[in-house]
Amino acid sequence: DTEVTQTPKHLVMGMTNKKSLKCEQHMGHRAMYWYKQKAKKPPELMFVYSYEKLSINESVPSRFSPECPNSSLLNLHLHALQPEDSALYLCASSQAREDVNSPLHFGNGTRLTVT
Amino acid sequence: AQKVTQAQTEISVVEKEDVTLDCVYETRDTTYYLFWYKQPPSGELVFLIRRNSFDEQNEISGRYSWNFQKSTSSFNFTITASQVVDSAVYFCALSEAPRGADGLTFGKGTHLIIQP
Repeated sequence: DTEVTQTPKHLVMGMTNKKSLKCEQHMGHRAMYWYKQKAKKPPELMFVYSYEKLSINESVPSRFSPECPNSSLLNLHLHALQPEDSALYLCASSQAREDVNSPLHFGNGTRLTVT
Repeated sequence: AQKVTQAQTEISVVEKEDVTLDCVYETRDTTYYLFWYKQPPSGELVFLIRRNSFDEQNEISGRYSWNFQKSTSSFNFTITASQVVDSAVYFCALSEAPRGADGLTFGKGTHLIIQP
């Protein structure tokens, strides 16, 4: 069982909907990440939070809005998405962003379909 | 710039055969880390192994083994006596010390199919 929990597992939403993806970890990790993965492609980094502060935004459109309410939780708020945003959204955590030796622990992902 | 190449897009073998997944990397840093992740059909990325640039010792974990060769910039992964449960996409990844954990660069992945 993964130690990073993501909900929901599947999400279908229309282009005018507002929804949120949730991620939770209780490993005491201080860095949390959102990745986007299209079919048959490797994961692509979207956002990095370090000590609950946004450290990296990899030029992600504003229709994706991350939030880190506390050190264990990470949300991704979705609004006015496009069909091309359909993908697997993976949350990950690591002990610390600056610790290159720390592997990322990934959740099961949320498979998002935008209709 | 760092780069990870997994030239094998898809490999299909019959159960119990040995199989090697290739990974070649490029980096200008002397301190870096290499990783292998497994992604089964369920979606999660499972961490398999980490190796730093100063440790060229090969590693064996059960049926899994890894061969790190700095001379050829390769970090290959071998599964011995493959099983159907090994079917997954396997990603090799590279992280350079200055960029920290979020500087992880993935290869394109190798889809491994183990046929019964």
